[in-house]
Amino acid sequence: SYVLTQPPSVSVAPGQTARIPCGGRNFGTKTVHWYQQKPGHAPVVVVHDDTVRPSGIPDRISGSKSESAATLTIDRVDAGDEADYYCQVWISTSEQTVVFGGGTRLTVL
Amino acid sequence: QITLQESGPSVVKSTQTLTVTCTFSGFSLSTYAVGVTWIRQPPGKAPEWLGLIYWNGEEAYSPSLKSRLTITKDTSKNLVVLTLTNVEPEDTATYYCAHVVSDWFDPWGQGTLVTVSS
Repeated sequence: SYVLTQPPSVSVAPGQTARIPCGGRNFGTKTVHWYQQKPGHAPVVVVHDDTVRPSGIPDRISGSKSESAATLTIDRVDAGDEADYYCQVWISTSEQTVVFGGGTRLTVL
Repeated sequence: QITLQESGPSVVKSTQTLTVTCTFSGFSLSTYAVGVTWIRQPPGKAPEWLGLIYWNGEEAYSPSLKSRLTITKDTSKNLVVLTLTNVEPEDTATYYCAHVVSDWFDPWGQGTLVTVSS
């Protein structure tokens, strides 16, 4: 089965840049989406289709992708960015299925 | 504005059947290409996709849960129902429904926590 790999945690100081990787096979053929989840709340999409920010998401948040990994980048991190971040892909083979990464807890030091 | 709200029991016993309802507004499940998906999240763990249903009745299920899972819709009442049979403590999770946008999900409902007691 398809697996998305994320580091359990990333820590950065306020004002610095956080980079959250998501590893998987054959990313060139897949579209990656990113969700932010704060404690007690449902996940919210912050980047879809590899690089697209929904309206209302600050341009400090961006997505990128290579053949083997996708990365969520958050510039000028502040305390409000502290949350869990999940990557997600949709697999269309003989059966459709959706895979989430294991999640990365972003801690602002 | 699209909103979704899950409702269901907070506790179910092992081997019983879990039924969770998603009531939505701001879109219609009779509209071409529209879908609703179900996702669950065990406490402290990542989300797990369960399945979805589209405007035309097409369904897709997680291969690992396919034998126990059914998703149905009532277009006239704007609701989608998830049924999970023969539940076990490992099915304890917050169950979310979400609006399907192409191959991502937005928005999600607030979720409902279901605990399976043994």
